Amino acid sequence: SQQGEEDPQALSIQEGENATMNCSYKTSINNLQWYRQNSGRGLVHLILIRSNEREKHSGRLRVTLDTSKKSSSLLITASRAADTASYFCATVGGFGNEKLTFGTGTRLTIIP
Amino acid sequence: EPEVTQTPSHQVTQMGQEVILRCVPISNHLYFYWYRQILGQKVEFLVSFYNNEISEKSEIFDDQFSVERPDGSNFTLKIRSTKLEDSAMYFCASSRDRGFSGYTFGSGTRLTVV
Repeated sequence: SQQGEEDPQALSIQEGENATMNCSYKTSINNLQWYRQNSGRGLVHLILIRSNEREKHSGRLRVTLDTSKKSSSLLITASRAADTASYFCATVGGFGNEKLTFGTGTRLTIIP
Repeated sequence: EPEVTQTPSHQVTQMGQEVILRCVPISNHLYFYWYRQILGQKVEFLVSFYNNEISEKSEIFDDQFSVERPDGSNFTLKIRSTKLEDSAMYFCASSRDRGFSGYTFGSGTRLTVV
């Protein structure tokens, strides 16, 4: 698999349910970030978790990071129709490799 | 909240023409980037820029591409002779610390080459 692959590729849930998306990566990282993209629009930074952190919260978002498994998950609780979007994980390597490497994304659809 | 501004939001150009995509990064950021996303595909890194020079570029960023910071606020991406496969959404981003605290992306320029 490539650096930064999300699964599932697509997810449809009922409004109010929780949505979980997973991301795997291959190389060592400094941090991992999650972004949201509404259809055809820009990338919105959601949350950043550093390699020495295991869990982070921001509002309805919860991110976990397991560096031993090279994986992360994004949990959106109490989903809303407005959460419908594509979600991408992106990793930042260490010094000398600071560019973002994006995953393939999960298309999340919230059914009202 | 500070924003990265990109113009135009949409540009249509004929194959072989030159295009310049413009970005105004956040004023106290020092690191600037261009990424692109071909429709339905991953977001891909093109180039990073710091201290008035390119710090890293991908294999996509060939001789047809160039970047410039012509003044204290603008950051531009030029494509010299556009090809059909250059059609994509181009995102500018900036960071104050090489991305270790995160990036701020602009809303993108959709480039359509016909």
